[in-house]
Amino acid sequence: AQSVTQLGSHVSVSEGALVLLRCNYSSSVPPYLFWYVQYPNQGLQLLLKYTSAATLVKGINGFEAEFKKSETSFHLTKPSAHMSDAAEYFCAVKSGGNQGGKLIFGQGTELSVKP
Amino acid sequence: EAGVTQFPSHSVIEKGQTVTLRCDPISGHDNLYWYRRVMGKEIKFLLHFVKESKQDESGMPNNRFLAERTGGTYSTLKVQPAELEDSGVYFCASSSWTSESYEQYFGPGTRLTVT
Repeated sequence: AQSVTQLGSHVSVSEGALVLLRCNYSSSVPPYLFWYVQYPNQGLQLLLKYTSAATLVKGINGFEAEFKKSETSFHLTKPSAHMSDAAEYFCAVKSGGNQGGKLIFGQGTELSVKP
Repeated sequence: EAGVTQFPSHSVIEKGQTVTLRCDPISGHDNLYWYRRVMGKEIKFLLHFVKESKQDESGMPNNRFLAERTGGTYSTLKVQPAELEDSGVYFCASSSWTSESYEQYFGPGTRLTVT
């Protein structure tokens, strides 16, 4: 069975500091991994995705994530936090091998950015 | 191109009443998913339609929940009768078979409160 664990339900950083949101997955097959972001009062927006093409994935708004098979991790990073990055972030793995499989989400990490 | 839309955005009902949530996927997307996030918990899969057929309904909590997708276009999720534990945010997502990354596009969600 596949699963996702996000370490830390709340992360607080200062503006300009490094953002690191942790995600570990469990999967018996090569995974498809995603990071979604939910800004206040909005739906989930795809930040980036890993589909086995490259281990370092770049997404929108300056975020990137590195797939590390040996560590079963897919941590999300951004070199310099902006106030506008304050939101909740979700890591997800797509189940099964077919195109239409469901997403299995982590618990979510709420990011706060201090001025 | 319009995104995934959901109606209503908020619904407050009393225990025992019936509520129907609606989702309009992105035009041309054959895959439609329902997810739910109960307060403080992770986003959980409810079911997956391929066109008008239920591909996977393993996440439906019980027989008080009924999902339909008439003609393979929009979908409705009916809760009858509603219980207190049904409160949460219900998300709809859609994806296309032609998407090489199998990414799902989410709607803004319907916040359901059962009192």
